[in-house]
Amino acid sequence: SQQGEEDPQALSIQEGENATMNCSYKTSINNLQWYRQNSGRGLVHLILIRSNEREKHSGRLRVTLDTSKKSSSLLITASRAADTASYFCATAGSQGNLIFGKGTKLSVKP
Amino acid sequence: NAGVTQTPKFQVLKTGQSMTLQCAQDMNHEYMSWYRQDPGMGLRLIHYSVGAGITDQGEVPNGYNVSRSTTEDFPLRLLSAAPSQTSVYFCASSPGNQPQHFGDGTRLSIL
Repeated sequence: SQQGEEDPQALSIQEGENATMNCSYKTSINNLQWYRQNSGRGLVHLILIRSNEREKHSGRLRVTLDTSKKSSSLLITASRAADTASYFCATAGSQGNLIFGKGTKLSVKP
Repeated sequence: NAGVTQTPKFQVLKTGQSMTLQCAQDMNHEYMSWYRQDPGMGLRLIHYSVGAGITDQGEVPNGYNVSRSTTEDFPLRLLSAAPSQTSVYFCASSPGNQPQHFGDGTRLSIL
């Protein structure tokens, strides 16, 4: 059962540019999380935004949440080659698990 | 802290064979889970555990067994491997309703 849908599926930018990824979800949430997955590695938690928050920052990351539209966006500013990875949004399932979207594959070219 | 450790990293099996994927965490997390990641499918929950001695099924449990005898370990058993179980398997842990910590995965191919 998929909750989040990321958009776009793939994104290719130059180093120094900003990267924006979007996520839509279906049901009401308490919070929404973003994870990064480098090639061949596990997922790493980036940021959590609660349902009563509209925006949150962490370093070069900016996350917004619009609960009325059931959508979130992740902005990475001044992208670096090391940001090349897949990015997933996730919401809480009923079993204590996370329900992930299919992810956005970001490629940052030097 | 090593975090979440999964072994082996790679494995090739023949159809019908059985094997156990190991997962261990050293963070004293109560919640542990197994996901599989397939191309175009995202991550899907196989089984999970909310503490030692307690396990339950996730979205895609068929063909897999789990047990949780200690807080630290949560092995996943493939009973009779099938080509449809070719996937990347991730173990995750968390201290309850918190962001999850993932291992680096086991890449499993079944011929």
